[in-house]
Amino acid sequence: EVQLLDSGGGLVQPGGSLRLSCAASGFIFSTYDMTWVRQAPGKGLEWVSTITDTGGSTYYADSVKGRFTISRDNSKNTLYLQLNSLRAEDTAVYYCAVAPWDYYFDYWGQGTLVTVSS
Amino acid sequence: EIVMTQSPATLSVSPGERATLSCRASQSVSSNLAWYQQKPGQPPRLLIYGASTRATGIPARFSGSGSGTEFTLTISSLQSEDFAVYYCQQYNIWPPLTFGGGTKVDIK
Repeated sequence: EVQLLDSGGGLVQPGGSLRLSCAASGFIFSTYDMTWVRQAPGKGLEWVSTITDTGGSTYYADSVKGRFTISRDNSKNTLYLQLNSLRAEDTAVYYCAVAPWDYYFDYWGQGTLVTVSS
Repeated sequence: EIVMTQSPATLSVSPGERATLSCRASQSVSSNLAWYQQKPGQPPRLLIYGASTRATGIPARFSGSGSGTEFTLTISSLQSEDFAVYYCQQYNIWPPLTFGGGTKVDIK
């Protein structure tokens, strides 16, 4: 059974940093691209970032480019998202997701809430 | 960037009735379109991919159609568990992957 366990969220001040993690199990993690999607309170879904299976390529939404960094450790079956220079508009639930066949998402984590506030 | 527009924003339907949700792309996405269902406090659940293929375990009352720029999700006879928010997502041209703004299906 595929499981994605998101963690690392919390309350952080504007300008602060946070690192999110997503522990994966039930599939061969090192062979799949991984993605972060976020959802601001009461709002829709927003793609944030994708990393290829080897970590060789990364892609970012313009809204986070230069501030967020996606990475992975295939030896630990874990995906990361480093969030720097956080802004109030980054407040959201962050989901990790995997797309085994194409870039639609069969499996999602339960989400971790990031709140940026002073 | 491909902009996905969903309509209506809210759809009020009685249990047992048919619901028709629309999704429009700002340029062709071929058939590279997915639909998701999301309930409060839960992650999205994949319903449809390839515009019309039901994901594993999705009931037959859910169907998708369309190609190019116009897509439809139809729920043939709404059950109580179907009241939720529905999102479309294109994966034809990216980055960025883009989602529609969602349609909330609520009880009439």
